[in-house]
Amino acid sequence: DVKVTQSSRYLVKRTGEKVFLECVQDMDHENMFWYRQDPGLGLRLIYFSYDVKMKEKGDIPEGYSVSREKKERFSLILESASTNQTSMYLCASSSPSTGLNTEAFFGQGTRLTVV
Amino acid sequence: AQSVSQHNHHVILSEAASLELGCNYSYGGTVNLFWYVQYPGQHLQLLLKYFSGDPLVKGIKGFEAEFIKSKFSFNLRKPSVQWSDTAEYFCAVRPHNTDKLIFGTGTRLQVFP
Repeated sequence: DVKVTQSSRYLVKRTGEKVFLECVQDMDHENMFWYRQDPGLGLRLIYFSYDVKMKEKGDIPEGYSVSREKKERFSLILESASTNQTSMYLCASSSPSTGLNTEAFFGQGTRLTVV
Repeated sequence: AQSVSQHNHHVILSEAASLELGCNYSYGGTVNLFWYVQYPGQHLQLLLKYFSGDPLVKGIKGFEAEFIKSKFSFNLRKPSVQWSDTAEYFCAVRPHNTDKLIFGTGTRLQVFP
């Protein structure tokens, strides 16, 4: 079974803190994604990485950065957490779309609360 | 900008009722299409997908979806829902020239016994 593991299920951080959300996948997938999920807004793409050290901005990258130093690990960084970043964060991975069975697999999510 | 629209935000049904959830996308080229489901407290799981071929695709748990290219639609259907189908359903599109996966806003389905 494909596993996408997010390091924390729940996090509470203070405004202004630097926050790291970690994600690891075990399927040797090239692509990794960070989304945030908010009621009524669905999943919005924050950042996308298609290879080690390669990244693309998604729809809502402001206030976030990412790091992909190893193929299996994709980190989301909140440089200075704010209350409007309170949300559920979902990590996903997939093979490139040129292959077969290229659906995305998701982690359990990290519910981040910024106080 | 590319987008995915799910018209039904909240659907309430009784068991055995039929279900159809709408999904439209705005991308004009070739796409891959997906429906994901999120049961309460669980991670997103793939329900079904369309890459090419027969536009009527069957997924798990009796769900199916039809790709209508002329309408840019990929509606999800189930002839008879069960209480266990209570979940949030997300449509997603991947344009062929990118590996990005774009999601709709989701539809919350509640099924009452």
